[in-house]
Amino acid sequence: DADVTQTPRNRITKTGKRIMLECSQTKGHDRMYWYRQDPGLGLRLIYYSFDVKDINKGEISDGYSVSRQAQAKFSLSLESAIPNQTALYFCATSRLSTDTQYFGPGTRLTVL
Amino acid sequence: DAKTTQPNSMESNEEEPVHLPCNHSTISGTDYIHWYRQLPSQGPEYVIHGLTSNVNNRMASLAIAEDRKSSTLILHRATLRDAAVYYCILRDRSGAGSYQLTFGKGTKLSVIP
Repeated sequence: DADVTQTPRNRITKTGKRIMLECSQTKGHDRMYWYRQDPGLGLRLIYYSFDVKDINKGEISDGYSVSRQAQAKFSLSLESAIPNQTALYFCATSRLSTDTQYFGPGTRLTVL
Repeated sequence: DAKTTQPNSMESNEEEPVHLPCNHSTISGTDYIHWYRQLPSQGPEYVIHGLTSNVNNRMASLAIAEDRKSSTLILHRATLRDAAVYYCILRDRSGAGSYQLTFGKGTKLSVIP
């Protein structure tokens, strides 16, 4: 059963297009995160949110924006996609009281 | 967060125990040791974490050295499904710092049938 879902799972787009990646969770967790993973590298944090009114920049937020529409939904937007944003994007959630993060299946984004 | 060092890759035969090492010589007193794994084409998955004492759960065991400068993730009986990249991560629970999980390159575990 998928507690953290991401849509779309795969997306190919062109340079300059605006793209939105969506994440939904049924775990009831307060915290949500967006990471990107490049081939052969670890994950890097883009944005994180502790609740609907709290949004924080991560390590690599330039070129990205987020929206926390509800406790269960956290969207990542690429305002004007560029090829070096080609990567695997993961959403994650966690409870307020613990560091353990639960990850979605990922979205593979290709920017041509 | 403090840095960890892991071997790039390891191999194990199916149904044998696997010991995945991690060095973290600069660990601080408030750092918890977390392990995650990432199966092919999937998101990372939490495995286990601990502070000072050895820990066991249904997936694995975590053995922590007395000086906490190293730890070992133990898979008691490797299966083909355990083939993944295993990440050892230190998390500061003192309240300082970001909430990022800093994933290094991890150890790629191959399981031989």
